[in-house]
Amino acid sequence: NAGVTQTPKFQVLKTGQSMTLQCAQDMNHNSMYWYRQDPGMGLRLIYYSASEGTTDKGEVPNGYNVSRLNKREFSLRLESAAPSQTSVYFCASRDRAVDTEAFFGQGTRLTVV
Amino acid sequence: QKEVEQNSGPLSVPEGAIASLNCTYSDRVSQSFFWYRQYSGKSPELIMSIYSNGDKEDGRFTAQLNKASQYVSLLIRDSQPSDSATYLCAVDGGLGSSNTGKLIFGQGTTLQVKP
Repeated sequence: NAGVTQTPKFQVLKTGQSMTLQCAQDMNHNSMYWYRQDPGMGLRLIYYSASEGTTDKGEVPNGYNVSRLNKREFSLRLESAAPSQTSVYFCASRDRAVDTEAFFGQGTRLTVV
Repeated sequence: QKEVEQNSGPLSVPEGAIASLNCTYSDRVSQSFFWYRQYSGKSPELIMSIYSNGDKEDGRFTAQLNKASQYVSLLIRDSQPSDSATYLCAVDGGLGSSNTGKLIFGQGTTLQVKP
C-alpha cells in the first residue's frame, strides 16, 4: 500500500526554469492538497482540490498552477521558478466525505538558484 | 491575523513532565481539528483528531477542544525524549465556512524533552 507518492524527492532548478511536481494517491481519496514548508512557517496551503474536477487557491497560490488529472493524481507546476520558491513541498490526500485525517507524501525538497 | 495560530516555541520540558501545546483558530464555523507530529526531515503524521467540545484521550495524549473560545490544545503526559518534534495544529472549515474544503495548518510548536 503506497499511500501518497510524490516525485521527485529532490530538485535543483535555475531561476526561470519550469517544472511539475507529481503526486498520486491510491486510497481513493476525494480531496488532495499541495503545501509548502519553510523554516518556522509550518505548512502553508498552495492549492487544493476538494474533489475530482475542482481546484481552488489556498493561502499562497502566486507563482503556481495545479491540475487534478483524475481522482488519483494532482500535479503542481512552477512556470518560472524563483529563489523565493525554494522550499519543501508536501502533497496530501484525504477522504473529506468521512472527515478523515490527511495523509502526506514524503515531500519534495526544491532549491531554486 | 493568521487563521490558525500556535506559539513557535521552543517549548522545553523535562522528561516525565506534562507538555501543553496550544492552538487558536479564527473561523468560528470550523468543524474538524487535528494534531500532527513532524520529526525533522520527515512528513507530518497524525497524533489526534477531535471534532466535539471536550477532551479526547489516546494513551499519553489528550486533545482538548473549546469551540466557544476557538481553542484546541494537546497535552502530552509523561513526556519522553522521543516526543521531541514539531507539533502542528490543523483546522478544516465546515459547511458555510469560507474555508470549506481547506485544511489550514498553524506554524507549529517545537517541543524539546530533556532527559
